[in-house]
Amino acid sequence: EAGVAQSPRYKIIEKRQSVAFWCNPISGHATLYWYQQILGQGPKLLIQFQNNGVVDDSQLPKDRFSAERLKGVDSTLKIQPAKLEDSAVYLCASSLRGVGYTFGSGTRLTVV
Amino acid sequence: ELKVEQNPLFLSMQEGKNYTIYCNYSTTSDRLYWYRQDPGKSLESLFVLLSNGAVKQEGRLMASLDTKARLSTLHITAAVHDLSATYFCAVDMRDNNDMRFGAGTRLTVKP
Repeated sequence: EAGVAQSPRYKIIEKRQSVAFWCNPISGHATLYWYQQILGQGPKLLIQFQNNGVVDDSQLPKDRFSAERLKGVDSTLKIQPAKLEDSAVYLCASSLRGVGYTFGSGTRLTVV
Repeated sequence: ELKVEQNPLFLSMQEGKNYTIYCNYSTTSDRLYWYRQDPGKSLESLFVLLSNGAVKQEGRLMASLDTKARLSTLHITAAVHDLSATYFCAVDMRDNNDMRFGAGTRLTVKP
């Protein structure tokens, strides 16, 4: 089966600019997650979707981050405006029923 | 709030030696995951442990889960250089099926 697709792989932006990441989960996986992984740390959950509804966004900095999954399939994560501390790898993962998660290759964001 | 603690955070081993990585967590969960991450790469699933007493083995790695002690271990037998990577444990939050990760153990196996 095809894996979790993410794009772009790399992005460099200046602070205060906006950026968007895209994720296409494994076909049929109802649950989709966005994680932020800062260099040297474990991934931190930003938001979890079940189909097109948000299950958990308690750790999403909502003043600058937003995410949507309009048709219950692919998802976008946006940062506006970006700060230097947003430099990280943004990982998307999907799961069929919350058991067994498959991660995408990630998007490495550098904010300068 | 769920806390997941791994130790050690850094581990340098000689080839052929054995060692154990520990993962403690602070709340009830019966699902625990171990992942491997190579530099610049995404997370590769190693083990999914779904019940108390679960033990799984793959090659030189063996993982176990004790839900009563809220502890999982990842045991490395006769380490080889190819095992050099960062290993993460992650605990499933029972209520809403999301995972919380430990900080990771950066393993270096030296010849």
